[in-house]
Amino acid sequence: QVQLQESGPGLVKPSQTLSLTCSVSGGSISSGSHYWSWIRQPAGKGPEWIGRIYTGGSTNYNPSLKSRVTISIDTSKNQFSLRLSSVTAADTAVYYCARVDSDMVMAFDYWGQGSLVTVSS
Amino acid sequence: DIQMTQSPSSLSASVGDRVTITCRASQTTRTYLNWYQQKPGKAPKLLIYGASSLQSGVPSRFSGSGSGTDFTLTISSLQPEDFATYYCQQSIRNPYTFGQGTKLEIK
Repeated sequence: QVQLQESGPGLVKPSQTLSLTCSVSGGSISSGSHYWSWIRQPAGKGPEWIGRIYTGGSTNYNPSLKSRVTISIDTSKNQFSLRLSSVTAADTAVYYCARVDSDMVMAFDYWGQGSLVTVSS
Repeated sequence: DIQMTQSPSSLSASVGDRVTITCRASQTTRTYLNWYQQKPGKAPKLLIYGASSLQSGVPSRFSGSGSGTDFTLTISSLQPEDFATYYCQQSIRNPYTFGQGTKLEIK
């Protein structure tokens, strides 16, 4: 059973960089049929897709966040990471990491439990 | 961006009822349409992918249909554990986008 777990600071100051890591267990992050994504959800709102990375390192980002987002992957540690720069209060949300299955029309089939990140001074 | 619009936004129903939730896309997504269930404080859970394929382990009372721009999620006989918020999501084009959600409450 694949499991994902987010980790990182729960509080980030405005204008600083948000950094989160997702650790994957129960399966290899190098699997050829999977991508790895970050999704966020502000309180009381629907989810927003941030971006995804493939095992080889190729990335796709939501255009609305592209200038501030970097997603990277470390296959040796079975982890992938998110960096979001120049944060504001609008970036306060629960951040999820998720697996994308390309054999299932790119659905998010496994999710982490979520990590609440608050942007505040 | 492809806008996903769900209706209704909220719904009250009783155990045993048949319930249908609708999702409309602003442009065609073919069958690149997925449904998720989310309970308070939990991550979304994949129910249906490809508009009509049931994710492994999901009860057969859940079903999905549609293609192009109009889709439905049906729960044939509501169980107490089904009261939650449901989201549709398109996966045909970047950025992947979700509907605003349908909150299913106990009548």
